[in-house]
Formats: sequence, structure tokens, C-alpha cells
Amino acid sequence: AQSVTQLGSHVSVSEGALVLLRCNYSSSVPPYLFWYVQYPNQGLQLLLKYTTGATLVKGINGFEAEFKKSETSFHLTKPSAHMSDAAEYFCAVTRGGSQGNLIFGKGTKLSVKP
Amino acid sequence: DAGVIQSPRHEVTEMGQEVTLRCKPISGHDYLFWYRQTMMRGLELLIYFNNNVPIDDSGMPEDRFSAKMPNASFSTLKIQPSEPRDSAVYFCASSFSGANTGELFFGEGSRLTVL
Repeated sequence: AQSVTQLGSHVSVSEGALVLLRCNYSSSVPPYLFWYVQYPNQGLQLLLKYTTGATLVKGINGFEAEFKKSETSFHLTKPSAHMSDAAEYFCAVTRGGSQGNLIFGKGTKLSVKP
Repeated sequence: DAGVIQSPRHEVTEMGQEVTLRCKPISGHDYLFWYRQTMMRGLELLIYFNNNVPIDDSGMPEDRFSAKMPNASFSTLKIQPSEPRDSAVYFCASSFSGANTGELFFGEGSRLTVL
């Protein structure tokens, strides 16, 4: 069975500071990993994904994440937070190469202080 | 390109009434998913379809919930009778198996309030 754990339901950073949102997964097979962002009253949008190949993946809006198999982690980072980054972020996992059920973490709400 | 389209965006109804939520997936996508989002439980998968056929409905909470996909461009999620605990945001998502990435494309959701 697969699962996702996001550490910290709320993270607050100052504008210009580093953003680090943590995600650990559990999977008995090679995983595909995703980060989605949800702005208030909107659906989820894909930020970035890891399927195979390079373990450091870059996404939209300056975000990136690194797949670390030894640590079963896929943490999301951005060097400098912007006010517009305030949103809820979801990590998700699916069985590599399959189509179907994405297992989502419970989400981390990011606040950005001026 | 049009994304996943859901209607209605907001629905307020009284306990016991029937609720029907609608979804139009992205053209060419062969998978369709219904999720429910609440503060307490987060995002939960209710059911998903492949080529209009239900594949896994183990997330449907009870017999009051039903979902159909009569054709590749339309799906409904029905709750009958509705209860206050069904209040949530319901998302529809679609994906294309040919891309082989597992990426889902979400609609903007239908916010349901049952009084």
C-alpha cells in the first residue's frame, strides 16, 4: 500500500525567505510523485512531478523538489517566497507507470508574511 | 483549451433533498475521478472510471451516493437523500493514460452545503 505524510499542516514564512514543505512517502514499488497547489476557492493545479530520470525536478513559479529514495522523501522548496505563494500544497503518490488512484497527503497551508 | 468543467460551483440544499453534481472531463482523457474535500478528512477519492466504466468505487461513503458516466464527455455524482455531513467540496478530475504520468487535471470544484 502507498501513503503520503506531509509534516506540518501550517507553515509560515516571511516574504523573501526560503520555503520548505516536507513530504515523505511509503511505496513498495517505484513511485511517481507529485506536488499540487490549491489557491482559495479553486481546484488543484500541478506544480511539478517526478516519474523517472533526474531526481531534481523543477516546476512552475520557481518551485522545485528532489526525489530521495534513501530517505523516501520528496520535499518542495523555493528559494524566495512571494506573497502570491500563499496557498495549500498537496503531495501525492501513485504507483509508477500505472494510471489510477493518486494518494494525497493532508496538505500544508503556506502563509507568507510581508 | 477547456479544462475540466464542473457544475454547479455552489449548491445549498436542505437535508433530504437530492443533489446532482456534473462534470465534463478534458476531451480525449480516458480516466475520470471524483474526489471529496473536507477540513477533517482532506481529499478522499470516491470513485473513478476508465473509458466510462467504474473501476473502483470503494471510496463511496454509502448507498446514498451514486456516480455515472454515460459517455466520455459527461459524468454525474448524485446524493440522495443528502445529509448535513455531506457538506464538502466535490472535485472532478480527469487524466490521459497515454501520457503515462498519472497526472490528474482538476476542475474548480462544487461546494455543497446541506442545511
